[in-house]
Amino acid sequence: GAVVSQHPSRVICKSGTSVKIECRSLDFQATTMFWYRQFPKQSLMLMATSNEGSKATYEQGVEKDKFLINHASLTLSTLTVTSAHPEDSSFYICSPLDPGEGTEAFFGQGTRLTVV
Amino acid sequence: GQNIDQPTEMTATEGAIVQINCTYQTSGFNGLFWYQQHAGEAPTFLSYNVLDGLEEKGRFSSFLSRSKGYSYLLLKELQMKDSASYLCAVVSGGYNKLIFGAGTRLAVHP
Repeated sequence: GAVVSQHPSRVICKSGTSVKIECRSLDFQATTMFWYRQFPKQSLMLMATSNEGSKATYEQGVEKDKFLINHASLTLSTLTVTSAHPEDSSFYICSPLDPGEGTEAFFGQGTRLTVV
Repeated sequence: GQNIDQPTEMTATEGAIVQINCTYQTSGFNGLFWYQQHAGEAPTFLSYNVLDGLEEKGRFSSFLSRSKGYSYLLLKELQMKDSASYLCAVVSGGYNKLIFGAGTRLAVHP
């Protein structure tokens, strides 16, 4: 299966600051990247879909100015949570699409964000 | 709209068999995944069904009926380490977007 690296795995930040989460596909080129958010005891909710070199498509209810996604290369995508608030505390997971693996989805290790 | 239903919680005994059901209503369908997720970790792939029928892989099997919008995950010879959340996800729409159910928390007890 595809190898995906996401970091940091855990981050604690103060309210009002910004946090950047990186997601790398190590052995394949990901033209498409999905970013998910998961609150405790809930399932994964898709936040946005990005394609390399173009603007991300955000799901309904997700603020694009708050969750900045950059997919500048085929192996790296970043999610920046701007002006973080305690309610942004969540588990964020990336999922790059590997065209060579059909439809199977691979996930990064996830980032546990705590905003204090 | 998009709707995926699965039970919230289930309990089972070590060594037993458990079936986790999933029903879906989505605007498109390009297959169905089952994932296992332990608390605080990313999901791990268990199975993928795109055609009707049963797919068997060791202790895990998954069934799909597209006409009924129904799938189940069957876990045999349960072990304590199988205690986890099990996520049903439908591939829908462009870019192979996954739509997840809320997940079923399975507790295996001795």
